[in-house]
Amino acid sequence: SQELEQSPQSLIVQEGKNLTINCTSSKTLYGLYWYKQKYGEGLIFLMMLQKGGEEKSHEKITAKLDEKKQQSSLHITASQPSHAGIYLCGARRGGTSYGKLTFGQGTILTVHP
Amino acid sequence: DVKVTQSSRYLVKRTGEKVFLECVQDMDHENMFWYRQDPGLGLRLIYFSYDVKMKEKGDIPEGYSVSREKKERFSLILESASTNQTSMYLCASSLIVGSGRETQYFGPGTRLLVL
Repeated sequence: SQELEQSPQSLIVQEGKNLTINCTSSKTLYGLYWYKQKYGEGLIFLMMLQKGGEEKSHEKITAKLDEKKQQSSLHITASQPSHAGIYLCGARRGGTSYGKLTFGQGTILTVHP
Repeated sequence: DVKVTQSSRYLVKRTGEKVFLECVQDMDHENMFWYRQDPGLGLRLIYFSYDVKMKEKGDIPEGYSVSREKKERFSLILESASTNQTSMYLCASSLIVGSGRETQYFGPGTRLLVL
């Protein structure tokens, strides 16, 4: 089965700093999703990457997919307290999967004002 | 906007009780999913459904069953709750769009405590 490893597991930054979260897959990535979760709440969809080299941005968050490395990175520029939360990557399973995803364990981000 | 709602945010039940968790989506999505989320283990898929009355086991179906009688509603049933089923339960739904671009949208979660 596919495994996704996120690094770091947790991150504490000062407001205004840039940061990067990585998601590495043990298998070929067919589609990579990034979600954000506030503690005790549901997941909020951020963006989805499908093609190698694809890069998407939403406000100050940019995600890239390196298909050859089976890896995706999420970069936050000039972090704000509102960016704090748990970031999870999810990979679409291959074959007839009905859109099933495998998730990483998440990266806990704390942003100090 | 896609809206996925779950019947309860917090639930406390006793060991051996039958527990129903309800999930409703309002976007006519074909696929619906139930996950549980535990510290150190991440999100794990319990069951999913790709159509009314159709269901398939996920990665950890033991101790659970599901029901999908209507397209918008997907229920998770704990036949006899046990303390190891204390967890955060998350429901999600997605539309079949082909080309692998289905996006799952999540509900707010139900935090279940089994005493």
